[in-house]
Amino acid sequence: AQSVTQLGSHVSVSEGALVLLRCNYSSSVPPYLFWYVQYPNQGLQLLLKYTSAATLVKGINGFEAEFKKSETSFHLTKPSAHMSDAAEYFCAVTPNNNDMRFGAGTRLTVKP
Amino acid sequence: DAGVTQSPTHLIKTRGQQVTLRCSPKSGHDTVSWYQQALGQGPQFIFQYYEEEERQRGNFPDRFSGHQFPNYSSELNVNALLLGDSALYLCASSPNPLAGNEQFFGPGTRLTVL
Repeated sequence: AQSVTQLGSHVSVSEGALVLLRCNYSSSVPPYLFWYVQYPNQGLQLLLKYTSAATLVKGINGFEAEFKKSETSFHLTKPSAHMSDAAEYFCAVTPNNNDMRFGAGTRLTVKP
Repeated sequence: DAGVTQSPTHLIKTRGQQVTLRCSPKSGHDTVSWYQQALGQGPQFIFQYYEEEERQRGNFPDRFSGHQFPNYSSELNVNALLLGDSALYLCASSPNPLAGNEQFFGPGTRLTVL
């Protein structure tokens, strides 16, 4: 069964520092991988998705993620954190578009 | 273009009651999925509707049921509410269930069961 594991339930960075949120997946078939962001009391917004077209995926708000099959990873990065990046981030995997399976989430805190 | 909309925003029920949550998909989308997000956790897939049929179901009891209407809007019904049903219920829509299509999420309905 496909699943994702997000390493670190809480990540804290200083404003301007690198953001690295970790996601490892488990899949017996080529996966479709997603990163979503959730601001307080809101739904989920798509940051980026991997659908096998390119291993380095660029998303909105300066975020990007690299698919590494050898490491079964899909880590999310941003070169310079902004205060507005503080939110909950979810990695998700789906073998199709029916059953999207989410990780437990990583809460990002940005310190001034 | 309106995105995914859900109603109501908040709901308070007591144990044993029944609740109906509503969702209107994004324009042009014909597939609706429902998720339950407990506090501090990631969303869990409940089921997906396409062409007014339940296409796939997650690991939820039969107390959770749904419906999709010809205009693609959807309802989630939960019977015999338990305290553990307290959660944020998210609706997501997508343009037909093709692999790789992202799902667009609504703001959710916060259900509290007392």
